[in-house]
Amino acid sequence: QSALTQPASVSGSPGQSITISCTGTSSDIGGHNYVSWYQQFPGRAPKLIIYDVSNRPSGVSNRFSGSKSGNTASLTISGLQAEDEADYYCSSDTDSSTPVFGGGTKLTVL
Amino acid sequence: EVQLVESGGGLVKPGGSLRLSCGASGFTFSTFIMNWVRQAPGKGLEWVSSISSTTAYIYYADSVKGRFTISRDNAENSLYLQMESLRAEDTAVYYCARYRGPLNALDYWGQGTLVTVSS
Repeated sequence: QSALTQPASVSGSPGQSITISCTGTSSDIGGHNYVSWYQQFPGRAPKLIIYDVSNRPSGVSNRFSGSKSGNTASLTISGLQAEDEADYYCSSDTDSSTPVFGGGTKLTVL
Repeated sequence: EVQLVESGGGLVKPGGSLRLSCGASGFTFSTFIMNWVRQAPGKGLEWVSSISSTTAYIYYADSVKGRFTISRDNAENSLYLQMESLRAEDTAVYYCARYRGPLNALDYWGQGTLVTVSS
């Protein structure tokens, strides 16, 4: 149950696009299409923003998009806004039928 | 409106026990898989345990296996986590979260309850 690997931090200027990677193995990301992404503001509970690799729940901005290639999933935020500054976590189902999270990425909007 | 409200957190000494509760409302609790996820101070999310709607399937993270017990009372719309032999590394905010099958993801989370293990 090793955590998925995410960069500790990423940054971008308003209006730019950024991508956060999430690397796992063939036992999780590579072998399953149940990858999800969560946004978390300080002191708040996580919020689901992407499910099944690339789908957005109702109400989530279309500036958020997800993809997957091999053992790596990615979250892209386009048209970066100050309100996007938060921590982002990926998660994947695993061969053990349990989820695993990434270590989290802190997004700074410059 | 879906609501999940955790309670039961607090300060406990190493080796002690604590029982967390999560009250659910706004949805048919008995039909959903439920989870506990924790977050140590300044750290990332860690999945702890999950329980199927009928309790037929229960899973634990290796870090808590044999010490924590997840349970639910569908008549009371409540989820529980009994924590035994607590260690300093169990210090965290504990969230209950609903798993939504069609999304294969945790779509609603409670606000969390803080557990501090310290002498």
